[in-house]
Amino acid sequence: SSELTQDPALSVALGQTVRITCQGDSLRNFYANWYQQKPGQAPSLVIYGKNKRPSGIPDRFSGSSSGNTASLTITGAQAEDEADYYCNSRDSSSNRLFGGGTKVTV
Amino acid sequence: EVQLVESGGGLVNPGGSLRLSCSTSGFTFSHYDINWVRQAPGKGLEWVSSISGSSNYIYYADSVKGRFTVSRDYTKNSVSLQMNSLRAEDTAVYYCAREVDYYDIPPLYYFDYWGRGTLVVVSS
Repeated sequence: SSELTQDPALSVALGQTVRITCQGDSLRNFYANWYQQKPGQAPSLVIYGKNKRPSGIPDRFSGSSSGNTASLTITGAQAEDEADYYCNSRDSSSNRLFGGGTKVTV
Repeated sequence: EVQLVESGGGLVNPGGSLRLSCSTSGFTFSHYDINWVRQAPGKGLEWVSSISGSSNYIYYADSVKGRFTVSRDYTKNSVSLQMNSLRAEDTAVYYCAREVDYYDIPPLYYFDYWGRGTLVVVSS
C-alpha cells in the first residue's frame, strides 16, 4: 500500500534517546526522509537518504532503515528537539508520501 | 540564497476557485521539481502535487485530481496551483517545496527547501 505509518506521539527525558519509526511498503524501494516541524513554522529537513544530515543539523539526529521500516533516532534529546516529526518517501507511481507525524515531547 | 515564497491564499466560498503562486529565487529554476504540500489545521502534512523541472511530469494526489492544476512560469521562476471546486476539506496552509532528485540506486528524493506557506480557508 502507498502509506507511511508513524506512532502519533512519543516522550523522552532530557538527554535520553528516542527512536521514531516509519513503516511502509514503499520503504523497501525508496529512502525515507525526515522533517522537523515546530509550531507555526514550515517543516525543515533533518535526515535524508541513507543517514545524511543537511548542514546545521546536529549529529544527535541519525537515520536508519531495515526492510519496510525507517527510523529517526535522537541521541541525547534537547529541549529544542520538541517538535513534530514526519517521514516522507515516494511510491512506485511517483506519488510523494508523508507519514502521519510523531509529536515528540522532551 | 534559495527562497520560495507562497502567495494567493485567502477566504473562498465552497465551490469557488483560488490561484496560489510560489515565487522562487536563488537556484536554477528549471533544474528542480517543485511540490505543493498542505497541512489542515492541527493535522499532518499531505502531499498535493508535483511538477518536474521541465513540466513534462506532473502528479496529483487523488484528493485533488481533476480539481487542481499545477503549472510553471519560466519567465517569472514561479509555480502556480490553480484550485477549482474548492471544498471545506481543502482548508489548509499550502507550502511549496523544492525537491532534489538524485538518480542513484536506490534513487534519492527529498524536499530541501520550503516556503513559509499561505493559508487557504474554504468556508461560507
